[in-house]
Amino acid sequence: GAGVSQTPSNKVTEKGKYVELRCDPISGHTALYWYRQSLGQGPEFLIYFQGTGAADDSGLPNDRFFAVRPEGSVSTLKIQRTERGDSAVYLCASSFTTENTGELFFGEGSRLTVL
Amino acid sequence: DQQVKQNSPSLSVQEGRISILNCDYTNSMFDYFLWYKKYPAEGPTFLISISSIKDKNEDGRFTVFLNKSAKHLSLHIVPSQPGDSAVYFCAAISGSARQLTFGSGTQLTVLP
Repeated sequence: GAGVSQTPSNKVTEKGKYVELRCDPISGHTALYWYRQSLGQGPEFLIYFQGTGAADDSGLPNDRFFAVRPEGSVSTLKIQRTERGDSAVYLCASSFTTENTGELFFGEGSRLTVL
Repeated sequence: DQQVKQNSPSLSVQEGRISILNCDYTNSMFDYFLWYKKYPAEGPTFLISISSIKDKNEDGRFTVFLNKSAKHLSLHIVPSQPGDSAVYFCAAISGSARQLTFGSGTQLTVLP
């Protein structure tokens, strides 16, 4: 499809396990973002990629969270030793980077539940 | 600290009437303000934005007003339609950073 694709759409895991969430951005979009949305809250910024490099990872909550984008397209968000507090919808977004106007194209999200 | 606040978690409006969603912010460095709309089980979708140098932007049924002295913006939808029922997020961005700061959202219900 032409939109941002995220897999899996739902992931249930046990506390302490490792998870990977994948994002396939819109073709040609060089900027890629990860956000996290907890119940009743707005999305919160995690990390921003420009091409292959993480230009801003200031939103990652701790060192259990890591993200990569090795070829400048698909990105993977990795969470180690998951905790119940990590349960949320993880949203990926992409955009062109010619202007920083905040207009992002979001995927449908990956709902993570940590039991 | 919440830099972008939406104090009304929900709003119900009759079809055909005006919907007014409000948002307050604290950071004077924001350059753009945006509204995103979100349906259940979907990602947020960009709706309309306004530059900090303007006070109004209109797109069809949607108008955003910015009052910089009050650090307040609002989204007006007129006439409201049942398909407008969704969660509306206010967001802001400053030119030096790429991160959007979102409010907590307002659930709009348009009653037929």
